[in-house]
Amino acid sequence: NAGVMQNPRHLVRRRGQEARLRCSPMKGHSHVYWYRQLPEEGLKFMVYLQKENIIDESGMPKERFSAEFPKEGPSILRIQQVVRGDSAAYFCASSPFGEVAKNIQYFGAGTRLSVL
Amino acid sequence: QQQVKQSPQSLIVQKGGISIINCAYENTAFDYFPWYQQFPGKGPALLIAIRPDVSEKKEGRFTISFNKSAKQFSLHIMDSQPGDSATYFCAASFGGSQGNLIFGKGTKLSVKP
Repeated sequence: NAGVMQNPRHLVRRRGQEARLRCSPMKGHSHVYWYRQLPEEGLKFMVYLQKENIIDESGMPKERFSAEFPKEGPSILRIQQVVRGDSAAYFCASSPFGEVAKNIQYFGAGTRLSVL
Repeated sequence: QQQVKQSPQSLIVQKGGISIINCAYENTAFDYFPWYQQFPGKGPALLIAIRPDVSEKKEGRFTISFNKSAKQFSLHIMDSQPGDSATYFCAASFGGSQGNLIFGKGTKLSVKP
């Protein structure tokens, strides 16, 4: 059973470009979470999705950031017109269906975004 | 009210010693408290977790102690080994539809041989 798969592992973008980060949850997991980690900091929640639904986007910046988890395919975190402050590690986590089990999150290896 | 405060920021322990990392929270609605271990360049890995209906949970060399009245919980690593050198994060979450984890800032543990 493969773990949470994130790609690319490293992404370099110039200011103003778009960044697309992909996350495939563990098999059988229907909940996906995105977190951002700045250097020497803990992870900060961004958005929580189920298939075709955004459940909680309270941690997502209001502009330039969007996320989706389509019926088929991976979850995508999209950052438009990137700025240097977007440079960070972005982690995806997934958890299985069920209210109690939902708290148990398994993390991918992350995508390290560098904005030049 | 949604913060989780973690200390110390860094910790150096001799091989075979006990590593202790502490976390405190404010919101009594939290009902799940996991600890994650992260190696450089890797994602966080779930180490051990506890719910507020128990005061202690042990898995191998790792123990969580939970003090509900003080709103504190701690991770104890017994017989610490150099391979335990990593950054450790405590976290907390609510039940129900708000499953996102609120993380502490992390503790960088170095175990000296």
